[in-house]
Amino acid sequence: DAKTTQPNSMESNEEEPVHLPCNHSTISGTDYIHWYRQLPSQGPEYVIHGLTSNVNNRMASLAIAEDRKSSTLILHRATLRDAAVYYCILRDVFQYNFNKFYFGSGTKLNVKP
Amino acid sequence: DVKVTQSSRYLVKRTGEKVFLECVQDMDHENMFWYRQDPGLGLRLIYFSYDVKMKEKGDIPEGYSVSREKKERFSLILESASTNQTSMYLCASSTLAGVSYEQYFGPGTRLTVT
Repeated sequence: DAKTTQPNSMESNEEEPVHLPCNHSTISGTDYIHWYRQLPSQGPEYVIHGLTSNVNNRMASLAIAEDRKSSTLILHRATLRDAAVYYCILRDVFQYNFNKFYFGSGTKLNVKP
Repeated sequence: DVKVTQSSRYLVKRTGEKVFLECVQDMDHENMFWYRQDPGLGLRLIYFSYDVKMKEKGDIPEGYSVSREKKERFSLILESASTNQTSMYLCASSTLAGVSYEQYFGPGTRLTVT
């Protein structure tokens, strides 16, 4: 199964951009890259996903390397509310094998006022 | 807004007790999941269900069973609770429509087995 590697923790200042990296060197051609985050005392919530092209939504942007072996979640202006654990996950859309939705340990983002 | 609710936020049970964790979703989703979350181990899939009365084992099904009698409700059962089942339990649901496969999570139940 393709797995992801993320730094254990990162720190950012409020209102500055944050780049959260994720390595997935064994990604397959049919793996989508998903990002979720988990705020303190809550269940995870969906942030963004992509396949090959960079993606933007109201929460964040996802930059995917040309070889797809890494990606970066970009929070354009971090707020205190963005302090959370961020998970980078791969999912093979052509296999209904739910075990492949592997969360890992994620990156704990601390945002300083 | 999609809502996934779990019956309790905190639960304390004794070793050997039978424990029921309930999860309800209000978006008519086909798929429902139970995970447990432990420090340093991330989220691990226990069981999932893709339809009423259908279930599949996840990564760590030992010591657990599930029930899905209605589409909106998915129950996790600990037949005889043990201390190593002390954990945060998270329920999630999703639809099969499209490729985004977004999972919606409940707030979690923190179970302590003494």
